[in-house]
Amino acid sequence: AQSVTQLGSHVSVSEGALVLLRCNYSSSVPPYLFWYVQYPNQGLQLLLKYTSAATLVKGINGFEAEFKKSETSFHLTKPSAHMSDAAEYFCAVGMNSGYSTLTFGKGTMLLVSP
Amino acid sequence: DVKVTQSSRYLVKRTGEKVFLECVQDMDHENMFWYRQDPGLGLRLIYFSYDVKMKEKGDIPEGYSVSREKKERFSLILESASTNQTSMYLCASSGTAAYEQYFGPGTRLTVT
Repeated sequence: AQSVTQLGSHVSVSEGALVLLRCNYSSSVPPYLFWYVQYPNQGLQLLLKYTSAATLVKGINGFEAEFKKSETSFHLTKPSAHMSDAAEYFCAVGMNSGYSTLTFGKGTMLLVSP
Repeated sequence: DVKVTQSSRYLVKRTGEKVFLECVQDMDHENMFWYRQDPGLGLRLIYFSYDVKMKEKGDIPEGYSVSREKKERFSLILESASTNQTSMYLCASSGTAAYEQYFGPGTRLTVT
């Protein structure tokens, strides 16, 4: 069975600082990996996805993530945080077999201070 | 753009009531999903459907049922609502062999 671990339920950064949100997964087959963002009282919005093409994936709003098979990681980064980045971020993994279900991490709340 | 809509943003029901949550997608997606979201627990899959009239249990199906009579519509039913079903409910859809899911805005259900 696949699983996702997001390190840190809350991450605080200053505006303009580097954002790093960590995600590790376990999967017995090459996975599909996703990052979603959720703003208050809204649904989840897809930020970016890895589907076995380039290991460095660029997403919306200046975010990117790097797939590292040896570390089973898919960390999300942004060079310079903006106040509007404050939200909850979810990492998810899907296996390339069976139904198209995703397993989500528990989420990381990103707090951005001026 | 894919659009997933949910019938209510906020809902308040009493214990024991039968509750219907409806979800509609406009992208002809085969797969539809119902999740509940609780603080500190992330998203947990309740049920999903990969075709009309087909359904599969997710991780936490107890106390819930679903119905998919038309491809675009997927309903979540709480047969007898209980206070521990107070939660945010999210619907999502995805296409065949595609894993990215598109989410609705959510329904915040309170059971008193």
